Amino acid sequence: TQLLEQSPQFLSIQEGENLTVYCNSSSVFSSLQWYRQEPGEGPVLLVTVVTGGEVKKLKRLTFQFGDARKDSSLHITAAQPGDTGLYLCAGASGGSNYKLTFGKGTLLTVNP
Amino acid sequence: NAGVTQTPKFRILKIGQSMTLQCTQDMNHNYMYWYRQDPGMGLKLIYYSVGAGITDKGEVPNGYNVSRSTTEDFPLRLELAAPSQTSVYFCASSLTNYEQYFGPGTRLTVT
Repeated sequence: TQLLEQSPQFLSIQEGENLTVYCNSSSVFSSLQWYRQEPGEGPVLLVTVVTGGEVKKLKRLTFQFGDARKDSSLHITAAQPGDTGLYLCAGASGGSNYKLTFGKGTLLTVNP
Repeated sequence: NAGVTQTPKFRILKIGQSMTLQCTQDMNHNYMYWYRQDPGMGLKLIYYSVGAGITDKGEVPNGYNVSRSTTEDFPLRLELAAPSQTSVYFCASSLTNYEQYFGPGTRLTVT
């Protein structure tokens, strides 16, 4: 069974601070996705990374896929209260790219 | 487009009762999925379907059944509800290998 470990599990910061959350595994993934989930709602896809070493930017969010495709990070610059939510990483591997393994998530709270 | 819709939003069941969680998508996606989310545990895949008439087990299929008679609908059936099935259930769909679109979820309590 492939596992994705996310850290930290909880993070509470002040508006304007920077932060990085991590998603690590001992397994290689063909692609990795990041989702954000707000209370009472389903996860919403933020980004998909597929190439080792790939970096993608989405406004203040920067996503990186490790060179060996075993890990990923999400960096948020100048966090805002609207960034509050549960951040989930999910990996696909082998021939079943449509079957995702999810991490347990990082619960981020940005205080005004 | 409504995307992925799920009904009901909330449900309380007694032990041993049965129910069907409904899921419909209007994006003409081939792939559909059912997940459960328990507090602090992320999402676990229950069943998935790669097209009408084709379903397969995910990581935690025991106690559940599915069918896929049309591209749009993918209902999840609980035959004999147990307290361990108390969870939030999410249906999702995808067109290709990657991006999955999730419904708003069904919060189920079994007492």
